[in-house]
Amino acid sequence: NAGVTQTPKFRVLKTGQSMTLLCAQDMNHEYMYWYRQDPGMGLRLIHYSVGEGTTAKGEVPDGYNVSRLKKQNFLLGLESAAPSQTSVYFCASSQGFGLFFGSGTQLSVL
Amino acid sequence: GQQVMQIPQYQHVQEGEDFTTYCNSSTTLSNIQWYKQRPGGHPVFLIQLVKSGEVKKQKRLTFQFGEAKKNSSLHITATQTTDVGTYFCAGRKWDSGGSNYKLTFGKGTLLTVNP
Repeated sequence: NAGVTQTPKFRVLKTGQSMTLLCAQDMNHEYMYWYRQDPGMGLRLIHYSVGEGTTAKGEVPDGYNVSRLKKQNFLLGLESAAPSQTSVYFCASSQGFGLFFGSGTQLSVL
Repeated sequence: GQQVMQIPQYQHVQEGEDFTTYCNSSTTLSNIQWYKQRPGGHPVFLIQLVKSGEVKKQKRLTFQFGEAKKNSSLHITATQTTDVGTYFCAGRKWDSGGSNYKLTFGKGTLLTVNP
């Protein structure tokens, strides 16, 4: 039972490049979330999903897109990376109670 | 939008001293959760409080939810070096559509403990 798995763990991009972060959970949770964490800013919600095939915007959605084609997977895409997107990204899943977080992805955009 | 303020931002204590972090919301919450994040790690769920005035304990940790369901606190008695980390509160509020899926996190309190 792996819980919530994020890949990759680290990534360096050049400005303008694109990439996809993958989040997979094996707990059959309905709800999935993408957060970014920046020093002094806490955790800010980017997008979330309340079930397979659904997505919704969080606090800071600009520059990101998401998809939830399968219940267990939640993908976060950056179409044209910017230095302001340098951050640690956490995926989380929930069944309506506490959130279970993945180990995070450290992304640097140069 | 909903804001959750958390103080203090940092707290350094001697091992054995007590520690408290406070969380205040600009709006009434349906429930509040607390998380701990060790340095270099990911947030880990500690507890959820739902009822007005609720108090819950986990060993040396005491969690309270205010009567108005707008504030909360986490108190650690006799801190240990294993308590080091950032403690986040996260408030959940019913939105206008009746859904309750989003959590708004405070910015956290970083606790360091001097052995």
